[in-house]
Amino acid sequence: AQSVAQPEDQVNVAEGNPLTVKCTYSVSGNPYLFWYVQYPNRGLQFLLKYITGDNLVKGSYGFEAEFNKSQTSFHLKKPSALVSDSALYFCAVRDWDDYKLSFGAGTTVTVRA
Amino acid sequence: NAGVTQTPKFRVLKTGQSMTLLCAQDMNHEYMYWYRQDPGMGLRLIHYSVGEGTTAKGEVPDGYNVSRLKKQNFLLGLESAAPSQTSVYFCASSYGPVLNEKLFFGSGTQLSVL
Repeated sequence: AQSVAQPEDQVNVAEGNPLTVKCTYSVSGNPYLFWYVQYPNRGLQFLLKYITGDNLVKGSYGFEAEFNKSQTSFHLKKPSALVSDSALYFCAVRDWDDYKLSFGAGTTVTVRA
Repeated sequence: NAGVTQTPKFRVLKTGQSMTLLCAQDMNHEYMYWYRQDPGMGLRLIHYSVGEGTTAKGEVPDGYNVSRLKKQNFLLGLESAAPSQTSVYFCASSYGPVLNEKLFFGSGTQLSVL
């Protein structure tokens, strides 16, 4: 079985400060990992993915994520947050032999000016 | 470029009523999915389809039925709505887990069952 956990319901940061959104996962085989973002009253939008290769993955809007196999984590990061980054962020995982993504509960990010 | 379109955007039902949510995609995607989003629970997969004429159950299929008669359309039906089905429903599509991992989502349907 596959699952993903986002331990923080909310993350609050000041504009210009680093932003980190945490994610840990559990799969039986090799994981395929994703981050999606949801702005108010919108569907989810793809940010980035890890399939294989470099542990540091770069994505849209200046976001990046680091895959750590020993800690089974895939934390989302942005060096300098913007007010416009305020949104709901979802981590998702798929086991190598499964069709389906499993999503975390989401983390609400608020960036204050 | 429409992407994934869901209709309707909002609906209020009384307990026991039925309705169908329509999802249409214009990207020639093989895979389509229906999720529900509830506060604090993230997205949960209801049903999915890996191609025209196929459907399969996800995590929370009870009380829902689906059909994929045409490749571009994926219908979600509620035969007898219950208050527990009050939620935001999202449709998504993709080329599939091998060709492209990226899911494209519709803008959602907010359903209230009274």
